[in-house]
Order: sequence, then structure tokens, then C-alpha cells
Amino acid sequence: SQQGEEDPQALSIQEGENATMNCSYKTSINNLQWYRQNSGRGLVHLILIRSNEREKHSGRLRVTLDTSKKSSSLLITASRAADTASYFCATDAAGGSYIPTFGRGTSLIVHP
Amino acid sequence: DAGVTQSPTHLIKTRGQHVTLRCSPISGHKSVSWYQQVLGQGPQFIFQYYEKEERGRGNFPDRFSARQFPNYSSELNVNALLLGDSALYLCASSPVVQGSQQYFGPGTRLTVT
Repeated sequence: SQQGEEDPQALSIQEGENATMNCSYKTSINNLQWYRQNSGRGLVHLILIRSNEREKHSGRLRVTLDTSKKSSSLLITASRAADTASYFCATDAAGGSYIPTFGRGTSLIVHP
Repeated sequence: DAGVTQSPTHLIKTRGQHVTLRCSPISGHKSVSWYQQVLGQGPQFIFQYYEKEERGRGNFPDRFSARQFPNYSSELNVNALLLGDSALYLCASSPVVQGSQQYFGPGTRLTVT
């Protein structure tokens, strides 16, 4: 079963616009990670946010975590065509192993 | 430093056959995890090994097995292949077993006909 579920399933925007993706999960977590995947290749780690953190930034990426709502969001500002990819959230269930459980992903298309 | 490497890149097998996939972690990383990613889905955890011991196992049948060698490289074996085993198999390494970023390899695309 999928612990994390991304929303929307697909997102199409123009270059320069911001892209927001959301992730909801079911059980308490130790941390949440966002990954990017290009065309069915290996995953690239973007950001790890721990359960006691509320916001993290990395370049054009901003991740928020709301543990009371069991949700996280990934914001990509000033998107570029090269940001076209699938984005996944992965959670480590608190009290269990630290094996990340992935959602089905959000497919982002950025039109030049 | 080289990233995580996997071999082969692509593989076509017939139902009932056996397959071995290989993974070399980043130098210094002692943990290797295996994932199966079916088209249109997120990666599903299969195994994690740390210091040559199995530390986690996902919900996969006994046809799936793995091992980690003294140099921390790893093999994933799948017996009696089914059509449903067709997927991208991803290997990821990390320096420790818990709570750290995982570094993924490019994957092995397995097609079962």
C-alpha cells in the first residue's frame, strides 16, 4: 500500500510559473523526502525534512511539512522546462524501520 | 566519486527463467536497498541490506532474494519469472541504515515475455 499520496497526479504549466505538489500520508513519520525522476530513470533526492521541522529551502525548492494534517507540499518557483519530471514523496513511518515508502508521484510538464 | 551503478541496463527474459541484477554502492556506503517500480507507480521496497545483513524485507514473494557482499555490492535474484515482474529495478545506497538520504542508481529495466 502507498503511505504517501501525491496530488495532483499530473500538472502542466508554462515556464516561469510556480508549481506546487502536495503529499498526504497516513501514519506518523520520522521524516519525509522528495525525489525527482526523469523518464523512468533513477531517482534524484531533492530535500529531506524531519518531523520536527516545518519548512526547508533548497534553491528554487521550498518544502513544508504539517504533521497535524499529515501533509507536505513541494513548491518549485520560476519553473524551467528542465523541471519536467515525476516527483515523489517518500515517508519513513515512526516507530518502524526507516525504509521510505513512496507515493505514486506527480507528473510535472513545464512548457517552454 | 562514482555514483551508484547497476547492471545490466536492460534485460529481456522469458517466463519461468531466473534473473540476477547487480548493484555497486557509492564508496563508503554500507547500506543497499532494492526497489521495484512498475510503470506509472512509485518505487516499492523489496529489501534493505546493511553490513551484509538483511535489515528489511518488503511484501514480495520468496522468489525474490538478495545478498550483500563484503565489498558492499549487492545482487537481487528473482526466480520463476512472471510477466508481472516486468519493471524498473532500482538500487539505492546510503552511508547508514536509518534516516539518511538514499542515492539511487539508474535502474535495470527488466522485461519478461
